[in-house]
Amino acid sequence: DAKTTQPTSMDCAEGRAANLPCNHSTISGNEYVYWYRQIHSQGPQYIIHGLKNNETNEMASLIITEDRKSSTLILPHATLRDTAVYYCIAGGYQKVTFGIGTKLQVIP
Amino acid sequence: DVKVTQSSRYLVKRTGEKVFLECVQDMDHENMFWYRQDPGLGLRLIYFSYDVKMKEKGDIPEGYSVSREKKERFSLILESASTNQTSMYLCASSLRDLIMNTEAFFGQGTRLTVV
Repeated sequence: DAKTTQPTSMDCAEGRAANLPCNHSTISGNEYVYWYRQIHSQGPQYIIHGLKNNETNEMASLIITEDRKSSTLILPHATLRDTAVYYCIAGGYQKVTFGIGTKLQVIP
Repeated sequence: DVKVTQSSRYLVKRTGEKVFLECVQDMDHENMFWYRQDPGLGLRLIYFSYDVKMKEKGDIPEGYSVSREKKERFSLILESASTNQTSMYLCASSLRDLIMNTEAFFGQGTRLTVV
């Protein structure tokens, strides 16, 4: 699995877009980018994944740069319930390796 | 509703005891995983299994073993518990795909304290 680098923590005002960056400069051509989040005292929850194209679902959008060396998870209208640790993972099949993640604090 | 169930939410064991952590999923998933989570270290993969009776070492397998006798159940075994194995243990499962990781579903975790 490719190594990922994320900021340790970020703040975002409630109602604003939260943009969480991730660097994965060693990602190989067949490795996907995945995002999970973990709300305090719960197990991680899947958010979204992508290979090359930008992706959107009901929770978030994923923007992957053309060279695939970095990506951004966008929560379009952050709420207090989005306060969590967000994990960016770059890898192939079977094994899912998490890093330390970004602690996002949504501020009222 | 999909479910991954871990047998205990909290567990206290003594040093040297043999400890079993059980995980059951009801989604007919091929892949199952055990992680431990410690402050400042994130989630670290201990072992995973992609089929019954199959197992693969993760990043920190030392001091642990696993058992997968049935598809729905994946057990983590601490042969002789030590205080440095005090941690939150998380089980997950996912569908097997030969190209990519599919969505992993996690249990609520077992907080193990070894005294």
